[in-house]
Amino acid sequence: KQEVTQIPAALSVPEGENLVLNCSFTDSAIYNLQWFRQDPGKGLTSLLLIQSSQREQTSGRLNASLDKSSGRSTLYIAASQPGDSATYLCAVRVTNAGKSTFGDGTTLTVKP
Amino acid sequence: DAMVIQNPRYQVTQFGKPVTLSCSQTLNHNVMYWYQQKSSQAPKLLFHYYDKDFNNEADTPDNFQSRRPNTSFCFLDIRSPGLGDAAMYLCATSMGLAVITDTQYFGPGTRLTVL
Repeated sequence: KQEVTQIPAALSVPEGENLVLNCSFTDSAIYNLQWFRQDPGKGLTSLLLIQSSQREQTSGRLNASLDKSSGRSTLYIAASQPGDSATYLCAVRVTNAGKSTFGDGTTLTVKP
Repeated sequence: DAMVIQNPRYQVTQFGKPVTLSCSQTLNHNVMYWYQQKSSQAPKLLFHYYDKDFNNEADTPDNFQSRRPNTSFCFLDIRSPGLGDAAMYLCATSMGLAVITDTQYFGPGTRLTVL
């Protein structure tokens, strides 16, 4: 059974700092890995999707990497801003079952 | 324009009183999912539809049912809500089951309160 872990559970940084969020998973037989952002009381917004054959994806200040062999993904946020404050979740999509397993998320606070 | 719409955004029901949550999509996606998310926890998949094929997760309680009358709409029925069913319910869609580039699109969620 796929298990997804995100460490740390919470992170607080000053504005402008670069930061890394971590996601680890136990089964490397994945189709893709997706990073989401969730604001309090809201739904999930997709940030980046990395296919199993890819090593990284970039969008603006965000860069996500994937190392399937070690079961790890990181989300790098450059020059953090207060508007980046949210919970970030990673979701691993397993084989062709169409199902994703989510981590519990990392709650990020960026202080002005 | 909203692509995955959930109604209502907030639902209050009484213990044991059936409730139905609604999800609609404008993406014409084949797959629709229902997740339950409790505070500070990961979304937990309850079930999904691939077209008309219903797939229930092994640990989804019988109290939870779903209907998909057409491609655009999917409903979550909670037959006898208990206090433990209070949560955010998230609907999501994706193009297919085995599409490696497939992204899941989520709706804004329905916050269910059980009194």
